[in-house]
Amino acid sequence: AQTVTQSQPEMSVQEAETVTLSCTYDTSENNYYLFWYKQPPSRQMILVIRQEAYKQQNATENRFSVNFQKAAKSFSLKISDSQLGDTAMYFCAFMKPRGGLYAGGTSYGKLTFGQGTILTVHP
Amino acid sequence: ETGVTQTPRHLVMGMTNKKSLKCEQHLGHNAMYWYKQSAKKPLELMFVYSLEERVENNSVPSRFSPECPNSSHLFLHLHTLQPEDSALYLCASSLQGQGDEQYFGPGTRLTVT
Repeated sequence: AQTVTQSQPEMSVQEAETVTLSCTYDTSENNYYLFWYKQPPSRQMILVIRQEAYKQQNATENRFSVNFQKAAKSFSLKISDSQLGDTAMYFCAFMKPRGGLYAGGTSYGKLTFGQGTILTVHP
Repeated sequence: ETGVTQTPRHLVMGMTNKKSLKCEQHLGHNAMYWYKQSAKKPLELMFVYSLEERVENNSVPSRFSPECPNSSHLFLHLHTLQPEDSALYLCASSLQGQGDEQYFGPGTRLTVT
């Protein structure tokens, strides 16, 4: 079974500064997907960024980027130029590739989440 | 934020009540999920419906009963709940074959008294 660990229950950062959230995972799979989700105080979970394990290039979405270290099974999220709207709970998640039913796999992608990191951006 | 909607947003119910949570997705997806989010615990997957068939039931007690009448709607019927069932219940949907990214609703905050 896959496990996802976020070792930082809470983090804080000053507006405009950079912060890095840590995530490690455990799997025997070679191909998989990793995600960072953001859950603001309004509670709607939003996808921030996605990484395919077979891609060596780190994913980037505007101010959000990841440092994917496959051998170390590490997937950290860097937020540059932090904004007040970045205040939220951040979840790291792992997804095993979806296999066809006839291949013995599942017909959907099953997400395994970490415990979450509460990020507070201070003015 | 209107791609996946959930009603009600807040629900308080007694242990002998029967209530239902509703989820609707407007994204053309074909898989829907129920998650339970409790304080200081990772999100727990409860049920998955793929193409309107239940494909996963993660050892969820029978007092939770899901229903998926079509690919756009998902219900969670609740009866004789326990106080420890109080949590945020999140619905999500995804489109298989498109990276399986899940899109979440705003959740229903359930309090069992």
